[in-house]
Amino acid sequence: SQTIHQWPATLVQPVGSPLSLECTVEGTSNPNLYWYRQAAGRGLQLLFYSVGIGQISSEVPQNLSASRPQDRQFILSSKKLLLSDSGFYLCAWTRDSLLAKNIQYFGAGTRLSVL
Amino acid sequence: AQSVTQLGSHVSVSEGALVLLRCNYSSSVPPYLFWYVQYPNQGLQLLLKYTTGATLVKGINGFEAEFKKSETSFHLTKPSAHMSDAAEYFCAVRSYNTDKLIFGTGTRLQVFP
Repeated sequence: SQTIHQWPATLVQPVGSPLSLECTVEGTSNPNLYWYRQAAGRGLQLLFYSVGIGQISSEVPQNLSASRPQDRQFILSSKKLLLSDSGFYLCAWTRDSLLAKNIQYFGAGTRLSVL
Repeated sequence: AQSVTQLGSHVSVSEGALVLLRCNYSSSVPPYLFWYVQYPNQGLQLLLKYTTGATLVKGINGFEAEFKKSETSFHLTKPSAHMSDAAEYFCAVRSYNTDKLIFGTGTRLQVFP
């Protein structure tokens, strides 16, 4: 069966420090991968998505970047965190097939507090 | 462009009462519609989805939703609320030719004994 892992589960970082959040998917190959941010009262905002190694699409301009160094690994980074980067970050994946794209599977999330 | 509106950021019901969470969408192409549930400090779990076919769809935990094209709605219902239903619920839409989901802002459901 397929599983998705995110770590760390919680993170407290000072303003101006770097960030690296990791997401990995097991049990499937060539998944489509997504990073979302959830801010209080604002729902989920799609930040990045990737259809393959090294292929990253950014949805909104921001202080963050994403990379996909391996087929099932998706990394969210920042060189210098801002207070506004605080939130709950969720990774998700879908199968790379026309029919199976209907369902996104989510990781457990990382709660980031920037102080 | 597609969008989703969830009416009511908070809904409170008594245990055993009807649950109704509202979702309206905007889409220029036939939509695919989803309801996800999020328990505290967890990721999202799919409750149910509508793609094509029968407009009344049944999901997990006794929830169901009806796609009404004329009303551009996809409201989530459950006949009898249980304490374990307390969570945040998100409606989402995407078109048939993209993977991207557009989420609503969520509705937090509280269930009182």
